[in-house]
Amino acid sequence: AAGVIQSPRHLIKEKRETATLKCYPIPRHDTVYWYQQGPGQDPQFLISFYEKMQSDKGSIPDRFSAQQFSDYHSELNMSSLELGDSALYFCASSWDSMNTEAFFGQGTRLTVV
Amino acid sequence: DAKTTQPPSMDCAEGRAANLPCNHSTISGNEYVYWYRQIHSQGPQYIIHGLKNNETNEMASLIITEDRKSSTLILPHATLRDTAVYYCIARGEDNTDKLIFGTGTRLQVFP
Repeated sequence: AAGVIQSPRHLIKEKRETATLKCYPIPRHDTVYWYQQGPGQDPQFLISFYEKMQSDKGSIPDRFSAQQFSDYHSELNMSSLELGDSALYFCASSWDSMNTEAFFGQGTRLTVV
Repeated sequence: DAKTTQPPSMDCAEGRAANLPCNHSTISGNEYVYWYRQIHSQGPQYIIHGLKNNETNEMASLIITEDRKSSTLILPHATLRDTAVYYCIARGEDNTDKLIFGTGTRLQVFP
């Protein structure tokens, strides 16, 4: 079965650069969530989208923005990168039904040097 | 979203049942109890969820107390590959409701 696809799997950027992370949800899933997991920490919710509209917002820095496109894939754009942005970034997707589970991708490991 | 509390760590012998407790005393009526696990920096993996009835699937069983203030995830025959951090999450019924991860329980399965 198709899973959530994230790209790239690994990314190395320098401070003050920009990065774009992509998430391709499971087919027919219309809700996407983004999470950040720092070293030794638990996943922290950043932002979510439903039907291409932002549905919820968590602790996402102002330097980050995200959107969901017409084909339901989503991109997380990160600007003015800081060393503290080094983390695993997970995307999850779910479909429009009550009490349905969300499925996670394998993540993008971002290293800022 | 209701806060959940879990023991930080547990051990379990391979082949034995692993029983992971979770307290969610402030859970609201429309919040489900979800369990996920994360194996060594992989993406969190869905295990099971339930509202008030006990649930079972190919991975685990979920036992929810009648007052819904606590639950137990049961892995009937733990294997070394079940070593992971297990998260108990109270989540609303709408599909756009986010999952809020707490600190979880680090389960170590030993030979």
